[in-house]
Amino acid sequence: KAGVTQTPRYLIKTRGQQVTLSCSPISGHRSVSWYQQTPGQGLQFLFEYFSETQRNKGNFPGRFSGRQFSNSRSEMNVSTLELGDSALYLCASNGLAGADTQYFGPGTRLTVL
Amino acid sequence: AQSVSQHNHHVILSEAASLELGCNYSYGGTVNLFWYVQYPGQHLQLLLKYFSGDPLVKGIKGFEAEFIKSKFSFNLRKPSVQWSDTAEYFCAVKGYSTLTFGKGTMLLVSP
Repeated sequence: KAGVTQTPRYLIKTRGQQVTLSCSPISGHRSVSWYQQTPGQGLQFLFEYFSETQRNKGNFPGRFSGRQFSNSRSEMNVSTLELGDSALYLCASNGLAGADTQYFGPGTRLTVL
Repeated sequence: AQSVSQHNHHVILSEAASLELGCNYSYGGTVNLFWYVQYPGQHLQLLLKYFSGDPLVKGIKGFEAEFIKSKFSFNLRKPSVQWSDTAEYFCAVKGYSTLTFGKGTMLLVSP
């Protein structure tokens, strides 16, 4: 079974731009969660989607948004990028909403200049 | 709100040394506990998990962890580390909703 895939793997943007990241979960998984990983803050939860509905949201500004499609693929969007948004963005999937064992993708490394 | 604290940010060991990484959490209810590992250049993967039952759980690659409810702890152990265990280790807890991670412990094993 193929794992979680994320595209693109690397991105360089400038302040003020927006960016869209994509995540394809493991086949059959319907829940997708997003995390931001930085050296200083570690892994911080962004949001969780299940069956196209956002179930939980972390403590991030409204510039961070996401959605999930009917095929369970998910995208997250960051508008008006700031330097502090530079991070590794991880996507994780599991079979059920709120299910506890999450399977992580390789991440998208976003650099904001 | 739930939180996770990992005692050490960096640990350096020689091969064959024993390992114990501390993890404490803060949450008043029932929790599920995890240790994840991130090897250099690889994605985060599950080492082991505790949901219920025997508080001593065994994971992959010879790792184990013990849940001590009275101490709100879930420490990770390995009797004899190898160079290939060099990685970053994350403790995580799930209470009523989301998964919360500690800030990680970077383990460097010298050959």
